[in-house]
Amino acid sequence: KQEVTQIPAALSVPEGENLVLNCSFTDSAIYNLQWFRQDPGKGLTSLLLIQSSQREQTSGRLNASLDKSSGRSTLYIAASQPGDSATYLCAGSYGQNFVFGPGTRLSVLP
Amino acid sequence: NAGVMQNPRHLVRRRGQEARLRCSPMKGHSHVYWYRQLPEEGLKFMVYLQKENIIDESGMPKERFSAEFPKEGPSILRIQQVVRGDSAAYFCASSPRQARDTEAFFGQGTRLTVV
Repeated sequence: KQEVTQIPAALSVPEGENLVLNCSFTDSAIYNLQWFRQDPGKGLTSLLLIQSSQREQTSGRLNASLDKSSGRSTLYIAASQPGDSATYLCAGSYGQNFVFGPGTRLSVLP
Repeated sequence: NAGVMQNPRHLVRRRGQEARLRCSPMKGHSHVYWYRQLPEEGLKFMVYLQKENIIDESGMPKERFSAEFPKEGPSILRIQQVVRGDSAAYFCASSPRQARDTEAFFGQGTRLTVV
C-alpha cells in the first residue's frame, strides 16, 4: 500500500529561522513528488514539483529534495517569514493519482 | 488562463438531499481528479477522470457517490441522499497529462455542510 507520512505534524519557529519539513513514502516506485501549501479554509497552491529523475528543485527561498532510495523528500525554507505560516503537504504520484501526506502545520512567529 | 474553478465554494444541504459539486479544469487540461478532506485529516483520493471516461474510481464510496466529466462542460461530483458524515471539503485538481508526468493544479474547494 502506498502511504505518505510527514513529520513533524506541527512546527512553530521564530521569524528568520531556516527550517526543514520532512516527507516519507513507502513505495519508492514514485514518478514525481509535489509540495503544496494550504492556507486555512483555502485550496492548495503548488510550490515545487520534483520528477523521479531529479534530485532537487528550487524556487526562491524554497528548496525541495528527493531521495527515492530512502523514500524521503525534504522541503527547506530559508529565512522564514510570518507569511509562510500555513499547512505544507507533500504528494507522491504513482501513475494515475496523487497520494497525500497529512501535512505539517507551520507557524512562523514575528 | 484562469485556474481550476470550483463552485459553489460553500454548500449547505439537509440530510437526504442531493449535492452537486462542479469543477472546471484549467484550459487545455483533460485530466481531472477529485479529493475529499475531512476535518483535521489529509486529502483522500476519490476519482480520476479524463474527458467522458472514469479512469480510476477506487477511492469513491460504492453507494451514493458518482462523478462525470462530459465532453462539454465541467466535471460534476454528485452525492445523493447526503448524510452528516459527507460534510467535508471537496477539492478538484486538473493536469494536462497523467499525474506521473506533470504537475497538478487545485481549485479552492467546495465546503459541504450537511445539517
